[in-house]
Amino acid sequence: QKEVEQNSGPLSVPEGAIASLNCTYSDRGSQSFFWYRQYSGKSPELIMSIYSNGDKEDGRFTAQLNKASQYVSLLIRDSQPSDSATYLCAGGGNNRKLIWGLGTSLAVNP
Amino acid sequence: GAVVSQHPSWVICKSGTSVKIECRSLDFQATTMFWYRQFPKQSLMLMATSNEGSKATYEQGVEKDKFLINHASLTLSTLTVTSAHPEDSSFYICSASPGLAGEYEQYFGPGTRLTVT
Repeated sequence: QKEVEQNSGPLSVPEGAIASLNCTYSDRGSQSFFWYRQYSGKSPELIMSIYSNGDKEDGRFTAQLNKASQYVSLLIRDSQPSDSATYLCAGGGNNRKLIWGLGTSLAVNP
Repeated sequence: GAVVSQHPSWVICKSGTSVKIECRSLDFQATTMFWYRQFPKQSLMLMATSNEGSKATYEQGVEKDKFLINHASLTLSTLTVTSAHPEDSSFYICSASPGLAGEYEQYFGPGTRLTVT
């Protein structure tokens, strides 16, 4: 069974701090990984995709991929209350399907 | 870019009736579209995968005769919930993948909240 695992949280950080979200996956064949943000009652929004080992930065977000350790992370710098949401990690599976983690709830406290 | 629309955003219907939900990719062609369902405070559940011009592939436990999917073009997929019952009340979300080689991003529509009375 291919799986993506995330700590459900909640992860609570003060405003302005760095939030670190982590994800592990079981399928060594997965080549692509994604972080989605989902606000309560809304649909998921793609915030980062990463395909290669190393870091990928986009504004306040940095995704990190370590294929040897089967580990993906998302760092959010200068966290804002508006970043409070559930963050979903997903890995590419067969037939373009994504294998989803259950999500980590992030609360940024003013 | 990569905008997906969904219509209607919410619908209330009576038990036993059918409801059609449309999903459109507005600024790209979607080789593959996906339909998910999400119950309150639960994770996304993939219902089916559809490719343009092909029959949809349903996940285990999803009734294909109850949830009819048509992927009529590279920009439009529809989900019809037939003979809806209160237990079908949920948040239905579609996503679309541009299908570029080696790229697997899915872009989500805003979702349709279905309430069956």
